[in-house]
Amino acid sequence: GENVEQHPSTLSVQEGDSAVIKCTYSDSASNYFPWYKQELGKGPQLIIDIRSNVGEKKDQRIAVTLNKTAKHFSLHITETQPEDSAVYFCAASLPRNTGNQFYFGTGTSLTVIP
Amino acid sequence: GAVVSQHPSRVICKSGTSVKIECRSLDFQATTMFWYRQFPKQSLMLMATSNEGSKATYEQGVEKDKFLINHASLTLSTLTVTSAHPEDSSFYICSAVQGQETQYFGPGTRLLVL
Repeated sequence: GENVEQHPSTLSVQEGDSAVIKCTYSDSASNYFPWYKQELGKGPQLIIDIRSNVGEKKDQRIAVTLNKTAKHFSLHITETQPEDSAVYFCAASLPRNTGNQFYFGTGTSLTVIP
Repeated sequence: GAVVSQHPSRVICKSGTSVKIECRSLDFQATTMFWYRQFPKQSLMLMATSNEGSKATYEQGVEKDKFLINHASLTLSTLTVTSAHPEDSSFYICSAVQGQETQYFGPGTRLLVL
């Protein structure tokens, strides 16, 4: 099956700096890679996603890059703000006969220091 | 993005009672819904995959008689924790899949069993 690894587990940055979170996956058949932001006591919120036929996607201060050859993808947050503080999860989606199976990373706790 | 609701948001019950959690996709139809359990500061643990009109598929180690899942319509799935015990206390999160792969999460249900 698929194995998703996520680094770092914790990350602290100064407000205004950039934050980068990296994930690797093991199964080259995975073709969809979403990123989720989870605030304390809430459910994960989809913030950006990328499909395997695209190398990069950007949405305002958030961008995701995908390297299919190396099997890794990264989340980039620029001009960080205190409200970006949360736990971020990456995921890889693997097509199956019974439907797509999702595999999650272990999460990165991001703290943006004002 | 699409909206998924969960009810109740938190519940406290006595040991031995059963608790039902509802998950609804509000603005789209979801053939597939997932149920997760999350322990403090940990990643999402998939419990089961719920497909509309068929029996749920449970992950290894999850007791199907303990965690009853019903997916009666394309917008509603329910999780019933039967004969709940303190060790069942946790944060339960559902998600619904829009289209083939985009997964949206509910806000979660905090269960405390006394």
